[in-house]
Amino acid sequence: GAVVSQHPSRVICKSGTSVKIECRSLDFQATTMFWYRQFPKQSLMLMATSNEGSKATYEQGVEKDKFLINHASLTLSTLTVTSAHPEDSSFYICSAWDSANYGYTFGSGTRLTVV
Amino acid sequence: DAKTTQPTSMDCAEGRAANLPCNHSTISGNEYVYWYRQIHSQGPQYIIHGLKNNETNEMASLIITEDRKSSTLILPHATLRDTAVYYCIVRVGSSQGAQKLVFGQGTRLTINP
Repeated sequence: GAVVSQHPSRVICKSGTSVKIECRSLDFQATTMFWYRQFPKQSLMLMATSNEGSKATYEQGVEKDKFLINHASLTLSTLTVTSAHPEDSSFYICSAWDSANYGYTFGSGTRLTVV
Repeated sequence: DAKTTQPTSMDCAEGRAANLPCNHSTISGNEYVYWYRQIHSQGPQYIIHGLKNNETNEMASLIITEDRKSSTLILPHATLRDTAVYYCIVRVGSSQGAQKLVFGQGTRLTINP
């Protein structure tokens, strides 16, 4: 089946630095990917929709200058958390739309800890 | 997309059938019912989806009421590995392309030995 690889699985960074998270579709082309954030004991919250070759669409309340999304190819989308602060510590999850099989496949998530 | 309501938590004995209900009374005619689950600290996993007919696959069965206002996900022989948060999501059909999935709070299912 469709596989989405998300990297890194876990990252610790210092406050004020930037962190990049990668999301790759391994065996299919994903024109659309989604980025979610999940705080402990809460549900997934959609942050943005990423379309290959165009600007991402951000959900209300999500700062586009802080969470930079790049979807430069049909198999790779990246989320960069800029000037990270402790409150950005969370579990970030990507999802890719497989148009050939009409389904969504999720990455395994990235646990970001900002110290 | 229509809103869904699920119980916050449920328990089930190992080896028994786990029946997870979902209410989606405002569902539209072109909206499907999707079920995903999330095991702790992992990405969500697709389980099953349906429009109006009951569906079955190797993981589960989906029973949708005739008026489509509610559905039940059935795990026929629950195992400890089925302990997870189960999300019921309603959205338009996949033939209309990528549509964002909006997650509610889900049901935390605990399978007890």
